[in-house]
Amino acid sequence: DAKTTQPPSMDCAEGRAANLPCNHSTISGNEYVYWYRQIHSQGPQYIIHGLKNNETNEMASLIITEDRKSSTLILPHATLRDTAVYYCIVRGYNQGGKLIFGQGTELSVKP
Amino acid sequence: GAVVSQHPSRVICKSGTSVKIECRSLDFQATTMFWYRQFPKQSLMLMATSNEGSKATYEQGVEKDKFLINHASLTLSTLTVTSAHPEDSSFYICSARVPGERGETQYFGPGTRLLVL
Repeated sequence: DAKTTQPPSMDCAEGRAANLPCNHSTISGNEYVYWYRQIHSQGPQYIIHGLKNNETNEMASLIITEDRKSSTLILPHATLRDTAVYYCIVRGYNQGGKLIFGQGTELSVKP
Repeated sequence: GAVVSQHPSRVICKSGTSVKIECRSLDFQATTMFWYRQFPKQSLMLMATSNEGSKATYEQGVEKDKFLINHASLTLSTLTVTSAHPEDSSFYICSARVPGERGETQYFGPGTRLLVL
């Protein structure tokens, strides 16, 4: 699975959009980009995933660049409850289902 | 999304005893579940892949005789920490794989905090 690079931490003002970047320059054609978040002392929560098209759901939007070497997770109106560690993971469609977690980005939403 | 539960949510045990942690998929069947461990201020570390009806596959460096995994049904996987020691104190998290048309998704349980005295 391709490795990902994320900034270790970010701040965001409450009510503003939080844009979390992820680099995955070695991604291959059949690998998906997954985003999870982990609020302190809880299990990770699935947010969104995509292959090459932009995706949107009730939680967030995922923007994948045309060359697929990077992506951005967008939380459109961040709240204090969005404070968490956000993980960007690249995984192949048929690679045993393993999700290998990196260090993620610690997002702090401030009032 | 799919719901995964874990029991117990936290457990304290004496050194040398064994502890069993249950992971259940509540509203779907999971042929594959995963077990992770997380130490304070660190990321999740995959321990093993649990397959229903067959032996678990362990990641490099994880002792299979110490961390016994059983996946006897499509909704239940158990992790038993045998002869637990203080260094086994950690946050143990399971996940279950859900196939989909746009690639599969994994849903995680709430975690079990183990403290070995």
